[in-house]
Amino acid sequence: SAVISQKPSRDICQRGTSLTIQCQVDSQVTMMFWYRQQPGQSLTLIATANQGSEATYESGFVIDKFPISRPNLTFSTLTVSNMSPEDSSIYLCSVEATAGTQYFGPGTRLLVL
Amino acid sequence: EDQVTQSPEALRLQEGESSSLNCSYTVSGLRGLFWYRQDPGKGPEFLFTLYSAGEEKEKERLKATLTKKESFLHITAPKPEDSATYLCAVQAPLSSNTGKLIFGQGTTLQVKP
Repeated sequence: SAVISQKPSRDICQRGTSLTIQCQVDSQVTMMFWYRQQPGQSLTLIATANQGSEATYESGFVIDKFPISRPNLTFSTLTVSNMSPEDSSIYLCSVEATAGTQYFGPGTRLLVL
Repeated sequence: EDQVTQSPEALRLQEGESSSLNCSYTVSGLRGLFWYRQDPGKGPEFLFTLYSAGEEKEKERLKATLTKKESFLHITAPKPEDSATYLCAVQAPLSSNTGKLIFGQGTTLQVKP
């Protein structure tokens, strides 16, 4: 398994501002992903963070709103831009280990006022 | 369209009362089916991966099984510490976005002492 950390663990932000979430893993991994979990809902994939190239976004998510960086094989960031209350969610990063299994970080709880 | 449906949405058990959680799925070319446990305020914790019909895996009081259309998570003699939300997810085939997990809505289990 992989040990994954996220910063910050939680934040309260004003609408119109941006927040960058960091994800650090303790070993080199090829595949990293960012998910959103809205209140009372399950997880939805935002994008796959590709090392050395642009992220691959799922339908309904765009780069201008959720820019992603992946500078190396152990680190990625997700920015939530121009936030609105509808962006209040838990944001989770995950990494794919052996045989397709994904391990998740502890999540970042975001509240937008 | 790939889809995962979990039932029941919520389940209350007395300590020691065994039961099963259901995960029905429709996906073209299942790559893997995953079970996670999620405690409030935390990221999902990996439990099991199942790859083919007939496969079974066990861990303490939990046993996961897989058929061509559904998976069951059997909980034997549960304890209060088993209280959590249990998430089921399927992985899209290699021909599409490799690694994407499609999650069900989860079953929230409460075990009373």
